[in-house]
Amino acid sequence: SQQGEEDPQALSIQEGENATMNCSYKTSINNLQWYRQNSGRGLVHLILIRSNEREKHSGRLRVTLDTSKKSSSLLITASRAADTASYFCATAPRGTYKYIFGTGTRLKVLA
Amino acid sequence: DVKVTQSSRYLVKRTGEKVFLECVQDMDHENMFWYRQDPGLGLRLIYFSYDVKMKEKGDIPEGYSVSREKKERFSLILESASTNQTSMYLCASSPGLAGGRSSYNEQFFGPGTRLTVL
Repeated sequence: SQQGEEDPQALSIQEGENATMNCSYKTSINNLQWYRQNSGRGLVHLILIRSNEREKHSGRLRVTLDTSKKSSSLLITASRAADTASYFCATAPRGTYKYIFGTGTRLKVLA
Repeated sequence: DVKVTQSSRYLVKRTGEKVFLECVQDMDHENMFWYRQDPGLGLRLIYFSYDVKMKEKGDIPEGYSVSREKKERFSLILESASTNQTSMYLCASSPGLAGGRSSYNEQFFGPGTRLTVL
C-alpha cells in the first residue's frame, strides 16, 4: 500500500462546519505536505510541515503532525462550498527524493 | 507565480502510437516529475529528473521514457501506447538543492493531460 493513507475516503459537510481529514504514513520523513485538487485539475500545494514541527496554520487551515504515531491531520475551519475538492497528503521519506501521495479524501461542502 | 504548463489538456491516441507529453516550468526549478493518476490509486511516480539530462525511475516506469534536454522542459514518452496507459498525467516541478536530490520543498503542478488510448 502507499505510504500516505488518507482517512476518511469521502466526507460531506454543511457550509460553515469544520472538516477534518487524517493521513497516516509508514517511514521517517523530512516533511509532510497537503495538496488540494479540484475536479479534473492539477494539484495545488496548501501547506508543508517539517518533521520537527508539531502544528502549523495557514488562514483557515490547521495541520498537525505526530511523528511518534506517524500521522497528520488537516483541519479546515468554517468550510465554504469552494472548499469542495480532493485533498491529498504527500510525504517525503528521509533519504529519498520521492514524494509519496495517498489516495486522497474527497470533501464535499454543501451550501 | 510559478507556472507549470503541459502541452495538451486532452489527448486521444491509438494503440501502438508513440506519444509525447511535454511539460515546461518557468521558475528555474531543478526537480521535475511525471505522475499518473488513476481512480483509487492516487498519484504514482513514473519518472523524476533532478538536473538536465539526469533522470531516475519512479515506481511505475515500465512502458515510459523521459527526456530532459533543457532545464525548463521535461518530456514523457510512451514508446508504444497501450490501453492500460489511459490515465491522467500530471507534471510537477520543485526547487532543489543545487545538484542535489532534495524533497524538502513543495511541488508545483501543471493542469494535467487526460490521455485516452483507443
